[in-house]
Amino acid sequence: SQQGEEDPQALSIQEGENATMNCSYKTSINNLQWYRQNSGRGLVHLILIRSNEREKHSGRLRVTLDTSKKSSSLLITASRAADTASYFCATVDFGNEKLTFGTGTRLTIIP
Amino acid sequence: GAVVSQHPSWVICKSGTSVKIECRSLDFQATTMFWYRQFPKQSLMLMATSNEGSKATYEQGVEKDKFLINHASLTLSTLTVTSAHPEDSSFYICSARVDKGQPQHFGDGTRLSIL
Repeated sequence: SQQGEEDPQALSIQEGENATMNCSYKTSINNLQWYRQNSGRGLVHLILIRSNEREKHSGRLRVTLDTSKKSSSLLITASRAADTASYFCATVDFGNEKLTFGTGTRLTIIP
Repeated sequence: GAVVSQHPSWVICKSGTSVKIECRSLDFQATTMFWYRQFPKQSLMLMATSNEGSKATYEQGVEKDKFLINHASLTLSTLTVTSAHPEDSSFYICSARVDKGQPQHFGDGTRLSIL
């Protein structure tokens, strides 16, 4: 079953601005991952953050994890038109190898 | 690295036809592959987990006789939608993983349209 809720469902910003997406989940997790999906395509893995980590960076991406609040955020800095896509968080529980995806955020970068 | 190829990318067929979708890991060996289904503007729903050499584990509500999964090698898994009907029309995506704790790498998906 789908457990993650993402906020906002849709986000439109001007190119160059920062985009922040939030993800909430319900269970105790082993790790949380963020994926990007371009329209009609598969998913691209962006970043994985483990339950004992609080923040992780990769290029223009910054992910935070707050296990006490069961939430995570993805920040994309200095957005580009090519960042236009849907972004999904996905969790992996302890003892369970499956990914449970959130509802996704549709990000549109306006040139 | 970590490329997953899914074929075909798009298929249209008549109701009652069986359709096979292939998922290949091109540059790594995948002990586990996953099959997902995605409806328009919605998230991915896991259908089944496939381990090489063993029977697939299906999620609740997924008909195993309807969606046949074969994972005969460490680089290939297939999903066969048997006797497809219009309600089976969807976007099917596979993923592959080297080992537990590692990220899943996704194919580009197959858009299935049943007339």
